Amino acid sequence: ETGVTQTPRHLVMGMTNKKSLKCEQHLGHNAMYWYKQSAKKPLELMFVYNFKEQTENNSVPSRFSPECPNSSHLFLHLHTLQPEDSALYLCASSQDLPGQGFMNTEAFFGQGTRLTVV
Amino acid sequence: AQSVTQLDSQVPVFEEAPVELRCNYSSSVSVYLFWYVQYPNQGLQLLLKYLSGSTLVKGINGFEAEFNKSQTSFHLRKPSVHISDTAEYFCAVSATGRRALTFGSGTRLQVQP
Repeated sequence: ETGVTQTPRHLVMGMTNKKSLKCEQHLGHNAMYWYKQSAKKPLELMFVYNFKEQTENNSVPSRFSPECPNSSHLFLHLHTLQPEDSALYLCASSQDLPGQGFMNTEAFFGQGTRLTVV
Repeated sequence: AQSVTQLDSQVPVFEEAPVELRCNYSSSVSVYLFWYVQYPNQGLQLLLKYLSGSTLVKGINGFEAEFNKSQTSFHLRKPSVHISDTAEYFCAVSATGRRALTFGSGTRLQVQP
């Protein structure tokens, strides 16, 4: 396996279900991200993890719960979602450069999980 | 804070014609600039990036972009497009002090035969 792998690729869930999205990166990077991509809207950054610590949460509702057990794995736990949460969820990773003020030099993306909430 | 504006939501073009996709950014600090491409039901793939040095950057699939600091622009160009270039293109910026990329709203390139 190379790059960034997301599973599952497609997920249909009811509003009362609990499910999890998984992301794994094989690039040795120290930062991982969750983005949400909805139709006709820009990519929305949800969460940022650096060295397993959450460093950014962009006012994401608590029905989305991230988990980063190590630098290679990132999960997004979902519960009691709404139909408007249906979207493509993208995971990304990067190698941050502390010497340059943590500027992100390049992010590598997974293929995404297409989530449909019914 | 930084922001990215992609001025065209859709760009239709005939095969073998040249194309330019426009991107403007705003930031109060130094930035790195990126173009990503997304094919249907896929993730984002890096086309090219500007970190420093020459302002003309060449990427994959024959694309290039020019960084213009005075106009805060980073337009993407290709001299002759193919049907296979039909996709969504995203301009993005990263800045000192912020780990994540900020994306524009995307431009849908539609190449017609």
